[in-house]
Amino acid sequence: NAGVTQTPKFRVLKTGQSMTLLCAQDMNHEYMYWYRQDPGMGLRLIHYSVGEGTTAKGEVPDGYNVSRLKKQNFLLGLESAAPSQTSVYFCASSSGGTYSYEQYFGPGTRLTVT
Amino acid sequence: AQTVTQSQPEMSVQEAETVTLSCTYDTSESNYYLFWYKQPPSRQMILVIRQEAYKQQNATENRFSVNFQKAAKSFSLKISDSQLGDTAMYFCAFMKAGNQFYFGTGTSLTVIP
Repeated sequence: NAGVTQTPKFRVLKTGQSMTLLCAQDMNHEYMYWYRQDPGMGLRLIHYSVGEGTTAKGEVPDGYNVSRLKKQNFLLGLESAAPSQTSVYFCASSSGGTYSYEQYFGPGTRLTVT
Repeated sequence: AQTVTQSQPEMSVQEAETVTLSCTYDTSESNYYLFWYKQPPSRQMILVIRQEAYKQQNATENRFSVNFQKAAKSFSLKISDSQLGDTAMYFCAFMKAGNQFYFGTGTSLTVIP
């Protein structure tokens, strides 16, 4: 049981390049989330999904796009990377059930934009 | 908008002693959930404890307990018998209906041997 996995773990991009981060979960969770973590700012929600085929904006969505074509996968895309997007990105999932609101986190992706 | 405030950027505690981490939040919601997450140097986020706002009884998980004061919008974490493995960043988090989470900026806890 892998839980939540993220690909890749590390990446270096040049300004203007594009890339996609992949998050996969094998717990049949309905809800999935993308966060970024910056020093002194905690985790901030970028986008989230409450089910297959749905996405919604979080606190800091600008410069990112997401897709949830399959229930188990949640993709985060950067169309034109900027140095301000240098961060650690975390994916998380939760069942969204009435009695279980725990979020399960992936190991994170460290992205550097030069 | 929901905000979560952790006013202690760094704290330290002697091994085997007790430490309390503070968290306050602001919301107009009546139903919500509060969480403490731990992030050790490995970077993995780990759930420590959870509190449902409709429950008056404070949550407890082994050496970890909370002091939930709903009227004051306060949610502190007490760690008893601190261990070296408790050294980590601790994040307070708020969840409202719709499952959106809001995190505080974190408190870096160091347990001193």
